[in-house]
Amino acid sequence: IQLTQSPSSLSASVGDRITITCRASQSISIFLNWYQQIPGKAPKLLIYAASSLQSGVPSRFSGSGAGTDFTLTISGLQPEDFATYYCQQSYSALWTFGQGTKVEVK
Amino acid sequence: EVQLVESGGGLVQPGRSLRLSCAASGFKFEDYGMHWVRQAPGKGLEWVSGINWNSDTVDYADSVKGRFTISRDNANNSLHLQMNSLRSEDTAFYYCTKETGDTWGQGTLVTVSS
Repeated sequence: IQLTQSPSSLSASVGDRITITCRASQSISIFLNWYQQIPGKAPKLLIYAASSLQSGVPSRFSGSGAGTDFTLTISGLQPEDFATYYCQQSYSALWTFGQGTKVEVK
Repeated sequence: EVQLVESGGGLVQPGRSLRLSCAASGFKFEDYGMHWVRQAPGKGLEWVSGINWNSDTVDYADSVKGRFTISRDNANNSLHLQMNSLRSEDTAFYYCTKETGDTWGQGTLVTVSS
């Protein structure tokens, strides 16, 4: 199962609302997670099962979608949100990740 | 505290072997499938291998199939990755993670170079 993220990078300012999309090559129901990774650190789970907010993650992060099309939205970008974001499917035991979206300061 | 700690990384010559370990604590290890995920320097995340709770089912990425072996020891709360016939393209940080994705280790760096 291939996951295609877009865009591969984006420039934004603090306070902006941004959306990242992830498209699966086949239906994966809601078996889709979103991660944030800061350079030098392990990935951090933000959203699981497409739209469920992981405990401790700020509510400005939200996820939606099912089947093949998914989105991650950050409403009100904060300085600590500049990072790389990955989608990941667990529909198949052979996990796959999107190629990542780097969110940079405009 | 739920924690995963990887060890065993280092510099190894092409064609040689290395065994990674992941020590789990703070949760009932035997209840969860576990995975290895790697990240080459400056690149994205790549799933490597997964194992179910009782080792009945193991899976591998095509890039490592036949060279890497995943295993676990539920009695000692540990996960392992035996890596044989290493190639330069195996150079990466290797992370272990729970099947839920909510817990990751800090990663261990494997460098394959002559």
